[in-house]
Amino acid sequence: NAGVTQTPKFRILKIGQSMTLQCTQDMNHNYMYWYRQDPGMGLKLIYYSVGAGITDKGEVPNGYNVSRSTTEDFPLRLELAAPSQTSVYFCASGGTVYSNQPQHFGDGTRLSIL
Amino acid sequence: KNEVEQSPQNLTAQEGEFITINCSYSVGISALHWLQQHPGGGIVSLFMLSSGKKKHGRLIATINIQEKHSSLHITASHPRDSAVYICAVKPSGGGADGLTFGKGTHLIIQP
Repeated sequence: NAGVTQTPKFRILKIGQSMTLQCTQDMNHNYMYWYRQDPGMGLKLIYYSVGAGITDKGEVPNGYNVSRSTTEDFPLRLELAAPSQTSVYFCASGGTVYSNQPQHFGDGTRLSIL
Repeated sequence: KNEVEQSPQNLTAQEGEFITINCSYSVGISALHWLQQHPGGGIVSLFMLSSGKKKHGRLIATINIQEKHSSLHITASHPRDSAVYICAVKPSGGGADGLTFGKGTHLIIQP
């Protein structure tokens, strides 16, 4: 039972480069989330999805895009990397029918923009 | 704006001590979560509660909805309990957006 799998675990990007953070879950959850965690701060919601084909912005969506073509996958794309996007990114999933369920987190992607 | 405040920010204790971490929030919620983040970075859900008290092994979580306050207790603490403990809430209203997180409490249990 893999749960939530994120790749890559670490990445260094140059300013202006683009990349996609991958997230997949095998629990058939409809609800999926992307958070970022900055030092000394609480996790903040970037984007979320309530099911395949449906996504919505969270608290800090600027500079990011998401898609949800399948129930399992919820990739996060950075189009023009900026130093302010240096952070640890967590993907989470939780809930099939209701969103008010415990969330399962991936191991995180540590991203540095230089 | 929903705020989630945790105290203390840092806590160092000796093995065997009873540990209490507090969480206060400012808006109505449908649920409160306690999470554990180990030094390797992974985050694990410990409890989700909307009223009363839950217990799992040496961990106990309580919530007082009227006072907008929750506590996480660890009995007979052990060095393997060293981690960051994070409180998060799901605001009431039925929306599917994610949780609002506190900044975490960094706990160190010394042998």
